[in-house]
Amino acid sequence: QSALTQPASVSGSPGQSITISCTGTSSDVGGYNYVSWYQQHPGKAPKLMIYDVSNRPSGVSNRFSGSKSGNTASLTISGLQAEDEADYYCSSYTSSSTLAWVFGGGTKLTVL
Amino acid sequence: QVQLVQSGAEVKKPGASVKVSCKASGYTFTSYGISWVRQAPGQGLEWMGWISAYNGNTNYAQKLQGRVTMTTDTSTSTAYMELRSLRSDDTAVYYCARLVRVAGWFDPWGQGTLVTVSS
Repeated sequence: QSALTQPASVSGSPGQSITISCTGTSSDVGGYNYVSWYQQHPGKAPKLMIYDVSNRPSGVSNRFSGSKSGNTASLTISGLQAEDEADYYCSSYTSSSTLAWVFGGGTKLTVL
Repeated sequence: QVQLVQSGAEVKKPGASVKVSCKASGYTFTSYGISWVRQAPGQGLEWMGWISAYNGNTNYAQKLQGRVTMTTDTSTSTAYMELRSLRSDDTAVYYCARLVRVAGWFDPWGQGTLVTVSS
């Protein structure tokens, strides 16, 4: 399975909003509402931030939101805070193989 | 609370095998699947495969077919991932993660296990 495409890096100042895109195909992102997003701080395990495109788990700030249009999913972080600086990965269920998943290459978010 | 605790770091020689464990607590083990994801140094996440803790059904990433085996021990709520014929490019942190719902998402994740393959 090919990786989903994410920008290598994005940046923003505290208080601003940023959006990270995640582009796939009709076999994954575009075909299902099964996109999830994960935050990973250096040396730590990934943490679930968004599931099923736009749902936020309990405990995750409402500054994080997700959406999808066609083959591209997006993660938006509003009111940027210093602790948001991390790597972000999208993931999607894919029909390219039975019960399989694919990840994006990851995006490094820098809070200026 | 739901928690996955993995076994410790391993150093292996090329051609050897490694078996990583992932002990679950805080939920009914057989009601969820376990997925394994690895991350090479400085690289992104790579999905390796999935096992149903209910019936042991598995699906592995195509590139690892024939080298990886995932199993569970329901008596101890532990999942295992064995990777054989190790190569230097298998050096990575290996994570287990609970799969929430078929075609769902991964939550939570284990703390990770560093596997180093070096002669």
